[in-house]
Amino acid sequence: DAGITQSPRHKVTETGTPVTLRCHQTENHRYMYWYRQDPGHGLRLIHYSYGVKDTDKGEVSDGYSVSRSKTEDFLLTLESATSSQTSVYFCAISESVQAQKPQHFGDGTRLSIL
Amino acid sequence: GENVEQHPSTLSVQEGDSAVIKCTYSDSASNYFPWYKQELGKRPQLIIDIRSNVGEKKDQRIAVTLNKTAKHFSLHITETQPEDSAVYFCAASIKNFNKFYFGSGTKLNVKP
Repeated sequence: DAGITQSPRHKVTETGTPVTLRCHQTENHRYMYWYRQDPGHGLRLIHYSYGVKDTDKGEVSDGYSVSRSKTEDFLLTLESATSSQTSVYFCAISESVQAQKPQHFGDGTRLSIL
Repeated sequence: GENVEQHPSTLSVQEGDSAVIKCTYSDSASNYFPWYKQELGKRPQLIIDIRSNVGEKKDQRIAVTLNKTAKHFSLHITETQPEDSAVYFCAASIKNFNKFYFGSGTKLNVKP
């Protein structure tokens, strides 16, 4: 299994509080992604990174920001959490999209916002 | 951008039967197509993939076919077993882009 660690694995917080989720990889892969998964919506891309300090938006980026200061870490921040952001969040990594390498997923973070 | 559609959304088969899940894509520049299996409460896991220069790939009971002209690809599972029950996602990526585009998923139920 790819060396991907997501933390925390579970979190319950209140509306309006800031939340940061961490994705740590030991594979030295260039690409990292954050997805959210909700019933009936499959996997939706929030943000992704194609290198240190290089990030771009996905299809559901509103209300989220990301940072990547090191190859191994990709942080997802909810500046002011809302109940609509209750979801399961998956981090994924890929060695190279151009070279047709797959993504590998972390175990997910279950986030509940009350 | 790319649009990947996946059918059916749910599929129920008897143990031992075959299961087929189909995906279509919109961008002819898509050139890589992985399939993921997600068991309840677990992470999506890669089960098989195919590149655009190949028409078919097989791995034991699982096979994937690709029709570039029609822009569709399919997952075939033969001799299904209860442990094949899961949600399956197809995906596509485009050369020189950095993203994967996922289908909406198929919930496969294999009845013993």
